[in-house]
Amino acid sequence: DAKTTQPNSMESNEEEPVHLPCNHSTISGTDYIHWYRQLPSQGPEYVIHGLTSNVNNRMASLAIAEDRKSSTLILHRATLRDAAVYYCIRPSNAGNMLTFGGGTRLMVKP
Amino acid sequence: KAGVTQTPRYLIKTRGQQVTLSCSPISGHRSVSWYQQTPGQGLQFLFEYFSETQRNKGNFPGRFSGRQFSNSRSEMNVSTLELGDSALYLCASSLSFGATKNIQYFGAGTRLSVL
Repeated sequence: DAKTTQPNSMESNEEEPVHLPCNHSTISGTDYIHWYRQLPSQGPEYVIHGLTSNVNNRMASLAIAEDRKSSTLILHRATLRDAAVYYCIRPSNAGNMLTFGGGTRLMVKP
Repeated sequence: KAGVTQTPRYLIKTRGQQVTLSCSPISGHRSVSWYQQTPGQGLQFLFEYFSETQRNKGNFPGRFSGRQFSNSRSEMNVSTLELGDSALYLCASSLSFGATKNIQYFGAGTRLSVL
């Protein structure tokens, strides 16, 4: 079961940090966690992925719980351009197919 | 390096017609996946091709088909269009196959409207 659970929506103020949570309690020990986001009228774009330890890139940070049952995507300073639907995904190890849930719609207020 | 290119961007068809959508992956990528996005069902996986072979298929009727060419470019075809096929069709490419660390790169999509 590749299910993940995310809140439907979150709100943030511009230039403040945002923490987007995701639960993936049935994840196996070798499965990566990926985050993608979809801006309005665009295809999804890759944000970050990780396995066990915390990860950072130019877009965001990913904090993975020690038991790997949950993770948090961190946007350090939200901008208006970060308003999007954020998807937490456990890719299949049988291919590259991604199972998208409803994601979290992030609204950023100026 | 150019991203994933999907053509056409917009398409209008009538019920009963068929349609072919095209996807050019990022250079060097050998895996191409297709997704359908609708307001009601969200993003759903259609199928995936790697090295010209369909590797995985989602839960869609046989009217939806695809293929991949030797240069990794892919096409998907929908025959006997229905109103419910109106959607944004997205293509994603990836460097390799079968590892959960593989990153997918998406195109901008083809928006299909069936009248």
